Amino acid sequence: AQTVTQSQPEMSVQEAETVTLSCTYDTSENNYYLFWYKQPPSRQMILVIRQEAYKQQNATENRFSVNFQKAAKSFSLKISDSQLGDTAMYFCAFTSDSGGSNYKLTFGKGTLLTVNP
Amino acid sequence: DARVTQTPRHKVTEMGQEVTMRCQPILGHNTVFWYRQTMMQGLELLAYFRNRAPLDDSGMPKDRFSAEMPDATLATLKIQPSEPRDSAVYFCASGLVKDSPQHFGDGTRLSIL
Repeated sequence: AQTVTQSQPEMSVQEAETVTLSCTYDTSENNYYLFWYKQPPSRQMILVIRQEAYKQQNATENRFSVNFQKAAKSFSLKISDSQLGDTAMYFCAFTSDSGGSNYKLTFGKGTLLTVNP
Repeated sequence: DARVTQTPRHKVTEMGQEVTMRCQPILGHNTVFWYRQTMMQGLELLAYFRNRAPLDDSGMPKDRFSAEMPDATLATLKIQPSEPRDSAVYFCASGLVKDSPQHFGDGTRLSIL
């Protein structure tokens, strides 16, 4: 079974600075997908960014980028120019079609990010 | 933007009562997922459907939980009888297989007294 580990339960950053959230995963698959979801206090689950394992290029969405290290099974999220609205719980998630998993998401426990003014 | 719609947003009821949560997936999405979120367990998959057929409900307590998809526009999750330990936020998500991410509804916050 796949597992996703987020080793930082909580982090904080000053507004306008850069922060990196860590995520590691365990799988024997070669083809899979990785995601970062954001859950603000409103509790909506919002997709931040996704990465396909067969693509070497790291995904980028505006101020959000990932550092995908396939060999190390690492998938960190970098938030540049942090804004107060980035305060949220961030979940790393994994999916594949192996072993009948049929693309269901496996989530990490989450990292609570607080952006301070 | 198309959205997954969940009702109700909040539900408070007494132990032993039946609870029904509803989800309208995004039109055209062929997979529907039910997740439960608690502080202790985080996000857990309860059940999911592809093309309305149930594919996996191994995460769901089958003695009291049931999930159905009577048509392509409606998925339901029922708890009967409800217990205090069922208190959680229940999310529905929909998507297309493979390279499409799942889109989540706003969740139902369920409190069983």
